[in-house]
Formats: sequence, structure tokens, C-alpha cells
Amino acid sequence: GAVVSQHPSRVICKSGTSVKIECRSLDFQATTMFWYRQFPKKSLMLMATSNEGSKATYEQGVEKDKFLINHASLTLSTLTVTSAHPEDSSFYICSVSVQGEEEKLFFGSGTQLSVL
Amino acid sequence: DAKTTQPTSMDCAEGRAANLPCNHSTISGNEYVYWYRQIHSQGPQYIIHGLKNNETNEMASLIITEDRKSSTLILPHATLRDTAVYYCISSNTDKLIFGTGTRLQVFP
Repeated sequence: GAVVSQHPSRVICKSGTSVKIECRSLDFQATTMFWYRQFPKKSLMLMATSNEGSKATYEQGVEKDKFLINHASLTLSTLTVTSAHPEDSSFYICSVSVQGEEEKLFFGSGTQLSVL
Repeated sequence: DAKTTQPTSMDCAEGRAANLPCNHSTISGNEYVYWYRQIHSQGPQYIIHGLKNNETNEMASLIITEDRKSSTLILPHATLRDTAVYYCISSNTDKLIFGTGTRLQVFP
């Protein structure tokens, strides 16, 4: 199956700083990627759909100015949490849609963000 | 996407079959049933998917009722490493909406 690399796996930052999370597809081109967030003991919540070369589509209730998504190439999408606050502390997971593969989505290993 | 409902939690003895049910009574004709699982602090892992027919792979079997309103994921010989949250999702696109899933605990 396809490999999705997500970096960093864990990050701790001070309140008010910005954090960038990278999601890379290692062996295929990904025109569409998805970003999820997950709070402890909760399910994954879809935040946005990232399309290569165009603006991301955000789910209702997700602040686009807070969570900046860039998908400038077919192998890389980034999520930047701007001016992070403690309530942004969460597990962020990216996934990649691959057409033609049996799996619909391949998931990264996730990024645990802790904002102090 | 159709909504799915699953039991919150289940237990299974190691070596026994784990049968995880899922209701998707409002599923539409072109929506697949997908199963993923998530082990603590990791990204979800694909298990299996199907449309109408029963499916089997090296990980599990998927049994879909004839009316497609429910399905069952079967792990034939559960191991301790199968302890995870199992998600049943119905979708006809690559945009997957996760429900609350079933927390499966496999015990020795």
C-alpha cells in the first residue's frame, strides 16, 4: 500500500506561536489530501480537504485563518496552526486519497500537538 | 454519507473470533462499507471494504446483509494486538466521515 509520512510526530509549543505539520506521500502523486483532528478518546473529525494547486475546502466550524493548509505539490500538504492556544492541543492526522488503489485513504501516523 | 452506528465497546478472548456489528440502515446503493481500525496514538489502518458481496482478506472478513442495512466485521482469531477502536464507515467518495467506533478489547 501507499506510504504517507507525517512530520513531526510530536510537537510542544508556547501559546501564540505557529506550528507547521507536513504530510508527504512517498511513492505516489496525491491530488487530494485530508486533514483530521482527534481529541483524547474521541473520534476523528474531518477538518478540511486539501487539493493540489487550489484552495482547501474547510468543514463547517473550522476556521480557515486559524488552520492554514497549503498543497503546493502532488506529494506535500502542510497544515499550519497559527497563533496556537492550549485548546488547539490535539492529535492531527493527514490522509491521502489514491485513485485506483483498493484502499480509499492512506493515513499518516499523526502529530500530537501540545500547546503550553 | 450515510450514518453508521456501532456498539461502544466489546470484549473478546484471545484466539476467539471477534464479530463487530455495524448498522447503516440509510446507506445508498452506491455507497461502500469501509472498516478501519486505530490503535492508540496511531493513524487509522485500513482493514477491508465491500459493496454488496461478502469480502475476505488476510486481516478479516466482511459480511454484508442482503438488504445492505448492516454488516459485520469478523476477525477470525483475535490476538492482543487487535485491541483497537474499529470504525465502520459508509461512503461513495474518498471523503470519509468517522463515527465513534467500537473499542475492542482482546483479553488473554
